[in-house]
Amino acid sequence: EIVMTQSPATLSVFPGESATLSCRASQSIGRNLAWYQQKPGQSPRLLISSASTRATGIPARFSGSGSGTDFTLTISSLQSEDFAVYYCQQYNNSPPWTFGQGTKVEVK
Amino acid sequence: QVQLVQSGAEVQQPGASVKVSCQASGYSFTHYGISWLRQAPGQGLEWMGWVSADTGNTYFTQKFQGRVSMTKDTSTTTAYLELRNLKFDDTAIFYCARDVGNFGLFDTWGPGTLVTVS
Repeated sequence: EIVMTQSPATLSVFPGESATLSCRASQSIGRNLAWYQQKPGQSPRLLISSASTRATGIPARFSGSGSGTDFTLTISSLQSEDFAVYYCQQYNNSPPWTFGQGTKVEVK
Repeated sequence: QVQLVQSGAEVQQPGASVKVSCQASGYSFTHYGISWLRQAPGQGLEWMGWVSADTGNTYFTQKFQGRVSMTKDTSTTTAYLELRNLKFDDTAIFYCARDVGNFGLFDTWGPGTLVTVS
């Protein structure tokens, strides 16, 4: 099973600033990585697939990068609605599909 | 629009079973698989397994094998998760999600069903 590790666990950011979230896979997953956003009381929402492709309707301030084992989600100019928990997930080759433990982006 | 609607919250005793439904609409049901995931209180996301909405083929993680069933009813565009022999630590929100390409990418999620084992 591929283990996904996210850092940091919590990120405190002022509104309007940018945030950089990291995700590391225990083995190479190519670019088979997705990012999800989850707000309290809501189900997760797909933000990015294939490491860098934004899902339909996702604002351009969300960008993803990386390949192999190291990936980054950058949120530029954080808006109030962006404060949430973010999960990375690998979907490389064959199941089980696994998630990181999440990064909470909170208001500083 | 693409939508997944799940059944309501359940409270079950240890050792009992629970069956959660997930009705899909807004797309061709048999063209996508349905994955089931769960989230324990205050915890992260855990993928449990997948059912093909076309063939009914399934895949479960080893953790749940022997205790879980995932089925589908094409006539009602509904997928089902059954978890048997419930334990206290099965208390969680259970989500269904549409699986794009049947390879583990989840583009639409249901609202979740809270199952409490008490």
